[in-house]
Amino acid sequence: QKEVEQDPGPLSVPEGAIVSLNCTYSNSAFQYFMWYRQYSRKGPELLMYTYSSGNKEDGRFTAQVDKSSKYISLFIRDSQPSDSATYLCAMSPWGQDDKIIFGKGTRLHILP
Amino acid sequence: EAGVTQFPSHSVIEKGQTVTLRCDPISGHDNLYWYRRVMGKEIKFLLHFVKESKQDESGMPNNRFLAERTGGTYSTLKVQPAELEDSGVYFCASSRRTLTNTEAFFGQGTRLTVV
Repeated sequence: QKEVEQDPGPLSVPEGAIVSLNCTYSNSAFQYFMWYRQYSRKGPELLMYTYSSGNKEDGRFTAQVDKSSKYISLFIRDSQPSDSATYLCAMSPWGQDDKIIFGKGTRLHILP
Repeated sequence: EAGVTQFPSHSVIEKGQTVTLRCDPISGHDNLYWYRRVMGKEIKFLLHFVKESKQDESGMPNNRFLAERTGGTYSTLKVQPAELEDSGVYFCASSRRTLTNTEAFFGQGTRLTVV
């Protein structure tokens, strides 16, 4: 069983829609949960970070962590064409920057 | 402030040849990481430097890979001899740990193709 499972998509939604991305994981030791955004031919860029369980909101983005279900989500409200990218969930037991375990990434297309 | 920079952006080499990838971290970042993404797979951790010391190299696939960080500044990752399965995108990341933030910043990656 992979440590982190993420549907690779692609996921296409119309502009303005709410986007829901999610990952499941198997390692109970994970404490740090991240979402990265990666544009084509670029490196991953940290979008959201959550420690342990709970919700975190930043503008149009909301990250949720449910440790009891080993399930994390990223919601994007009022999606824009500029949100089109690959979104990677990532986790670590030790720290935000330490030996990060990535999901495969979900390719998201926002249609104008 | 310059971000993490990697050289070259793309390299095509023949099986059996040697390739050296370079990473320049953000100035002042003691932590430097190498990751690799093989086609169709997840980005996977290779190793972690703290300054010039290897903190964790548990992700290095085999002894054909050699990473160095002389002087605790830039790092190189050498593959010798390269095999077909070494093809992929190699990412470098750096961080400076504070009490409130330990964000890792990634470079744009080096796309390695072994033919």
